[in-house]
Amino acid sequence: GENVEQHPSTLSVQEGDSAVIKCTYSDSASNYFPWYKQELGKGPQLIIDIRSNVGEKKDQRIAVTLNKTAKHFSLHITETQPEDSAVYFCAASDSGNTPLVFGKGTRLSVIA
Amino acid sequence: KAGVTQTPRYLIKTRGQQVTLSCSPISGHRSVSWYQQTPGQGLQFLFEYFSETQRNKGNFPGRFSGRQFSNSRSEMNVSTLELGDSALYLCASSSGLGGETQYFGPGTRLLVL
Repeated sequence: GENVEQHPSTLSVQEGDSAVIKCTYSDSASNYFPWYKQELGKGPQLIIDIRSNVGEKKDQRIAVTLNKTAKHFSLHITETQPEDSAVYFCAASDSGNTPLVFGKGTRLSVIA
Repeated sequence: KAGVTQTPRYLIKTRGQQVTLSCSPISGHRSVSWYQQTPGQGLQFLFEYFSETQRNKGNFPGRFSGRQFSNSRSEMNVSTLELGDSALYLCASSSGLGGETQYFGPGTRLLVL
């Protein structure tokens, strides 16, 4: 089955700097890769997703890149703000009849 | 549209008891998935229901069960609770199966004493 590895487990950045979180997956059939942000006391919220027919997707300060050959995808947050502090999860699925498999999460702290 | 709702939000039980958690998906969504979230294991898939049928099941013991009703609302039940069942239980809904965006509820935090 699918296995998703996520790194780093914790990340601290200064406000205004960029943050990058990386995930690798094992199943070459996976073609859907969402990223979720989870704030304290809340459920995960989808922030961006990418499908295998594109290599990059941007939404304001957030971007995701996908390298299908290397089986890895990354989340990029530019101009970080204190409100970006949260736990971020990557996930992967094959868009078939299999559930999402999540990485273990990255705790991002943005220091003002 | 209203988001995914879960009740109750917090629950305290003792070992050996059973518990039922409820999830109401986003209106129009027919798929409901359940996850267990713990600090050590992250988000682990429990099961997925679509149109009242269980479509997928994760690697959890038979003490964990669920069901989905005709209005797409779902319940999960845990019998004979163990200390290790203490976790945040998350429900997510989507419009269909596989590859459809999943939207999560706030979760039910279960503490087993």
